[in-house]
Amino acid sequence: GQSLEQPSEVTAVEGAIVQINCTYQTSGFYGLSWYQQHDGGAPTFLSYNALDGLEETGRFSSFLSRSDSYGYLLLQELQMKDSASYFCAVKKGGDDKIIFGKGTRLHILP
Amino acid sequence: GAVVSQHPSRVICKSGTSVKIECRSLDFQATTMFWYRQFPKQSLMLMATSNEGSKATYEQGVEKDKFLINHASLTLSTLTVTSAHPEDSSFYICSARAPGQGRYTEAFFGQGTRLTVV
Repeated sequence: GQSLEQPSEVTAVEGAIVQINCTYQTSGFYGLSWYQQHDGGAPTFLSYNALDGLEETGRFSSFLSRSDSYGYLLLQELQMKDSASYFCAVKKGGDDKIIFGKGTRLHILP
Repeated sequence: GAVVSQHPSRVICKSGTSVKIECRSLDFQATTMFWYRQFPKQSLMLMATSNEGSKATYEQGVEKDKFLINHASLTLSTLTVTSAHPEDSSFYICSARAPGQGRYTEAFFGQGTRLTVV
């Protein structure tokens, strides 16, 4: 089986930096991805890490340590529109399935 | 990016009736699509993998006779919730990946369907 753990909620202030952690246990690990979902909307892809290290895309960065089965999403210069749920997800090798974590609800205070 | 369209976005049906949800890849062919279910403030739970031209693969605990999946073409998969009951009320989302883009491609999601069974 597989499991992903991430905090259920995080609160941060507009303009600040926030880090959302994710640990995972899965067989056939292929890579870790992150998705953003606003209330009532569909998930949208943010980033993907297959190799150890940091991937940067604008204000968002994602990190992976395969040896620690750990990754994080870093959001910089937070904006009110970043208030959403963020899901880490693993792609298993051998098939196209993407398994999602429980999600972290990010609250941003003005 | 690739576009996946899901229809309807909202549906209300009476208990005991069946509801069909469509998922279309608009600008690419998807041999595989995925159906998820999401309860309020919870994660997306994978229900099944829809394979074009063959039977769907269901995740453990998902009733295949309850949730009928048909993937009749490379651009269309349908999920039919049969004999719906109030506990089937949920947000159903499909996803697909565009092929031929390397070892990993992002999953593109439909807009989701909010099903309410009364």
